[in-house]
Amino acid sequence: RKEVEQDPGPFNVPEGATVAFNCTYSNSASQSFFWYRQDCRKEPKLLMSVYSSGNEDGRFTAQLNRASQYISLLIRDSKLSDSATYLCVVNMATGNQFYFGTGTSLTVIP
Amino acid sequence: ETGVTQTPRHLVMGMTNKKSLKCEQHLGHNAMYWYKQSAKKPLELMFVYSLEERVENNSVPSRFSPECPNSSHLFLHLHTLQPEDSALYLCASSQDRVGGHGSYGYTFGSGTRLTVV
Repeated sequence: RKEVEQDPGPFNVPEGATVAFNCTYSNSASQSFFWYRQDCRKEPKLLMSVYSSGNEDGRFTAQLNRASQYISLLIRDSKLSDSATYLCVVNMATGNQFYFGTGTSLTVIP
Repeated sequence: ETGVTQTPRHLVMGMTNKKSLKCEQHLGHNAMYWYKQSAKKPLELMFVYSLEERVENNSVPSRFSPECPNSSHLFLHLHTLQPEDSALYLCASSQDRVGGHGSYGYTFGSGTRLTVV
């Protein structure tokens, strides 16, 4: 079983739509959770960390469900500039291992 | 402006060549990493340096050799590569939390796009 699994998509949504991505992780000892954004032919960039109580940053909301071992990312009022691949990343409590999902591709259509 | 700088941005090399990728971080982080990103695959961790410790992925072929002379610099020495090694090589750094409580997340460099011919 993969450490981190994501639906690769692609998700094609119209501008203004709300879209949600889920990501599941296999190791219950996972400690830190992140969403990264990667634009075509660019490096991944940290979008937001995911906290146990859930957190929001503008149009983006991240949630963590430890019982079911998944994290989610909700994007409201999608913009054309949100088109990218969104990577789910999980870090173990011990050591430096970060596990990446394969990414979910989002295209926002005018 | 990223705090992690990688050079070169693009590299084309023959299978008999020897080259090195360089990474420098200006963030005061205590861990540095090499990742390989191939098309339609998740990022593959190659090597980790954390303070004095090197954590190595055993599946990395010996034709890839890392070097970490200090906490700010990381190299990846390449020799006798194969065409399937063509990929984007990403360097990253992170600051680990005290007591082993995970990490604050990565900062990536822009990557070196490597083509082996």
